[in-house]
Amino acid sequence: GAGVSQSPRYKVTKRGQDVALRCDPISGHVSLYWYRQALGQGPEFLTYFNYEAQQDKSGLPNDRFSAERPEGSISTLTIQRTEQRDSAMYRCASSLDGISGGFPTGELFFGEGSRLTVL
Amino acid sequence: DAKTTQPTSMDCAEGRAANLPCNHSTISGNEYVYWYRQIHSQGPQYIIHGLKNNETNEMASLIITEDRKSSTLILPHATLRDTAVYYCIVRVANRDDKIIFGKGTRLHILP
Repeated sequence: GAGVSQSPRYKVTKRGQDVALRCDPISGHVSLYWYRQALGQGPEFLTYFNYEAQQDKSGLPNDRFSAERPEGSISTLTIQRTEQRDSAMYRCASSLDGISGGFPTGELFFGEGSRLTVL
Repeated sequence: DAKTTQPTSMDCAEGRAANLPCNHSTISGNEYVYWYRQIHSQGPQYIIHGLKNNETNEMASLIITEDRKSSTLILPHATLRDTAVYYCIVRVANRDDKIIFGKGTRLHILP
């Protein structure tokens, strides 16, 4: 596709269930980022990948959250044993290149997001 | 935590230039300044970035002070469609790093 694709767009689940959110980045983009955004707040960094390597996961709130990008393309963010406080918009972004020649290259392209509601 | 400080909100009349300030007093020599905006419920959209020279593209101009401790994003002829939250971000140049968004400035374009 032409842009970053996220699925599902909307997910309603009951407390305690596991959810998996998928991100399909722009073809050829090296870097992939996950953010969480609460209403009225800026995007909150969760984790990011270069190719299949998870470079930084310091933003993951706790060990119920995990992410993978096994083949360096599609990524999945998994939330286990969901809680009501996990309800938010989860946004994925990709970038053509993380660093090239020592300079940040390429802007982030964001998907439409996955809105998670935990009842 | 975000390394930038921006006003919470601003108003600008349609057709006038919108000047959005950003303070980044602790910026390092190898950090770039990036601007993004987020319209309603859409994902953030890249606008412009720069290191120390002023930059201009089809969307906006970026003015960075000589000491690089602050910058201003200029939308030369604001339209109603420019109503959005604008984020100023600093990012290290010579290594990969997470990209941190702050709370941004909510810009209201008034008819």
